[in-house]
Amino acid sequence: QLQLQESGPGLVRPSETLSLTCTISGGSISTGAFYWGWIRQPPGKGLEWIGSIYYSGSTYYNPSLKSRVTISVDTSKSHFSLNLTSVTAADTASYYCARGIMDFDYWGQGALVTVSS
Amino acid sequence: QSALTQPASVSGSLGQSITISCAGTSGDVGGYNYVSWYQQYPGKAPKLLIYDVIKRPSGVSNRFSGSKSGNTASLTISGLQAEDEADYYCCSYAGGSTWVFGGGTKLTAL
Repeated sequence: QLQLQESGPGLVRPSETLSLTCTISGGSISTGAFYWGWIRQPPGKGLEWIGSIYYSGSTYYNPSLKSRVTISVDTSKSHFSLNLTSVTAADTASYYCARGIMDFDYWGQGALVTVSS
Repeated sequence: QSALTQPASVSGSLGQSITISCAGTSGDVGGYNYVSWYQQYPGKAPKLLIYDVIKRPSGVSNRFSGSKSGNTASLTISGLQAEDEADYYCCSYAGGSTWVFGGGTKLTAL
């Protein structure tokens, strides 16, 4: 059974870089033609797609965040990462990693990241 | 890339059927048969309910069904149960390997 787990700092200072990792168990990024993505949800608000990395390594980003986002995968294909630069309070959210083809069928439990000094 | 439009809230009596709409554009909902729906309980991760507009993953109740007409997709829940009270989100492929979500709908079961 595929499982995803987000990890990273729960508190980030304004103007710094938010970094999260999604660890995959029960599968691998290189197994199957899937997208591996990041989605976030500010407290009390809706879901926002941040970006995805295809199993081939190609990356795709939300145009509204593109200038600040980088998604990468490690060579072992057992985890992928999110970097979001120059964060502000508006980036405070629960961050989810997920897998899918044209949807998101497996999700991590989410990681709450607060941006505050 | 603008968020898809969903009603903020919907309510229905137990046993009734309710429908949640998801309005987009020809660049997302109307242009592709890749609309998905998610159910989310407070403090939990979203769960996939419907994919490819009308398909249900294994294990999802057949009380949940999806449809699409033009630029608007819909999720129908029949035989409303207390456990259906949750937030529901639509999502559409928007071309160029990008996706867009709806603002979410809070369902209250009366």
